[in-house]
Amino acid sequence: SQTIHQWPATLVQPVGSPLSLECTVEGTSNPNLYWYRQAAGRGLQLLFYSVGIGQISSEVPQNLSASRPQDRQFILSSKKLLLSDSGFYLCAWSVNRRLYSSHSNQPQHFGDGTRLSIL
Amino acid sequence: SQQGEEDPQALSIQEGENATMNCSYKTSINNLQWYRQNSGRGLVHLILIRSNEREKHSGRLRVTLDTSKKSSSLLITASRAADTASYFCATDGNDYKLSFGAGTTVTVRA
Repeated sequence: SQTIHQWPATLVQPVGSPLSLECTVEGTSNPNLYWYRQAAGRGLQLLFYSVGIGQISSEVPQNLSASRPQDRQFILSSKKLLLSDSGFYLCAWSVNRRLYSSHSNQPQHFGDGTRLSIL
Repeated sequence: SQQGEEDPQALSIQEGENATMNCSYKTSINNLQWYRQNSGRGLVHLILIRSNEREKHSGRLRVTLDTSKKSSSLLITASRAADTASYFCATDGNDYKLSFGAGTTVTVRA
């Protein structure tokens, strides 16, 4: 069965410090990968998605970046964190619809999230 | 951008009662998906309904889709305390992304 691991669960960082959040998926190949941010009591804001190694699409211009160095690894980074970067970060994967010649997106499967607090 | 919008924002019901929440969207979709999120956790996929389907069931969940009104509803029957969570609809357009609404927070009282 497929599993998704996201860590750390909680992180407290000072303003201006760097960030690296990691997400890995097991049990599937060539997944679509996603990074979301969720403000308290709100919906999900898509930050980045990737349909293959080295392919990153950015949804919101900001001081965050993402990389996909391996097929099932997705990393969210920042060189200098801002107070506004605080939030709940979620990684997700889905079956790559191109494998099924489909125009529909498959369900997404989420990690347990990282609660990031910037001081 | 956020396309799906859930209504109501919050819902409080007694255990055993049914809970109904609605989702409205603006543009054409391939499918619509419902997710549940327990406090402080990731989202869990509940059900997917395709644009050519009108109703779908999964256990105590019933989802309807009216593409002419661009709306969907999620019904949870015979609610339990464990159903306490936030519920989100997500619409699937013509790209690789889902657009999530802001969610409905459901509280089931014992």
